[in-house]
Amino acid sequence: DGGITQSPKYLFRKEGQNVTLSCEQNLNHDAMYWYRQDPGQGLRLIYYSQIVNDFQKGDIAEGYSVSREKKESFPLTVTSAQKNPTAFYLCASSMVGGAAEQFFGPGTRLTVL
Amino acid sequence: GIQVEQSPPDLILQEGANSTLRCNFSDSVNNLQWFHQNPWGQLINLFYIPSGTKQNGRLSATTVATERYSLLYISSSQTTDSGVYFCAVAGGTSYGKLTFGQGTILTVHP
Repeated sequence: DGGITQSPKYLFRKEGQNVTLSCEQNLNHDAMYWYRQDPGQGLRLIYYSQIVNDFQKGDIAEGYSVSREKKESFPLTVTSAQKNPTAFYLCASSMVGGAAEQFFGPGTRLTVL
Repeated sequence: GIQVEQSPPDLILQEGANSTLRCNFSDSVNNLQWFHQNPWGQLINLFYIPSGTKQNGRLSATTVATERYSLLYISSSQTTDSGVYFCAVAGGTSYGKLTFGQGTILTVHP
């Protein structure tokens, strides 16, 4: 089955720790995205990548980092510099191009203890 | 950037009722998507509709790009329709970056 997988489903982190969220897709999509959702809110873009080895900051990139070494994978690291990291994180992918339909993974819920 | 406004913020229906959700946006777009977020958080793609009209079963959507709004129609609602409905748009220079509205919380009672 083609799709987007995210792991882990739930993640708990102590303050001061970096954590990495995994996102993998087998849809052969060139573009991948990371969004953050806070309770009762819509999604906001953290980072996006249109092609391997290239990525751009979104609207709320501070405290986050990404890499895009493979077409299928776009991991997100939440660093200790992120002041309020507790949120629901969703990964998406699409064919390249601004008008392409985006598809989303099931998400990772991160809680900072 | 583009602003997206959804209405109403909350909607409560009895099973079998019809409803209309609205999405207004502030600039021209080349991507408009409607999503349903289920209780587990998964975003389900409902429609990709930057312009025109589409139908899928009990759901249909219309986007009037020149007037900068989109409507999502749900007919004969079922309890499984409950959840949050999001509209998201991308403009011509946004390279696929979707801007989301705040969502409409739909509750369907049996």
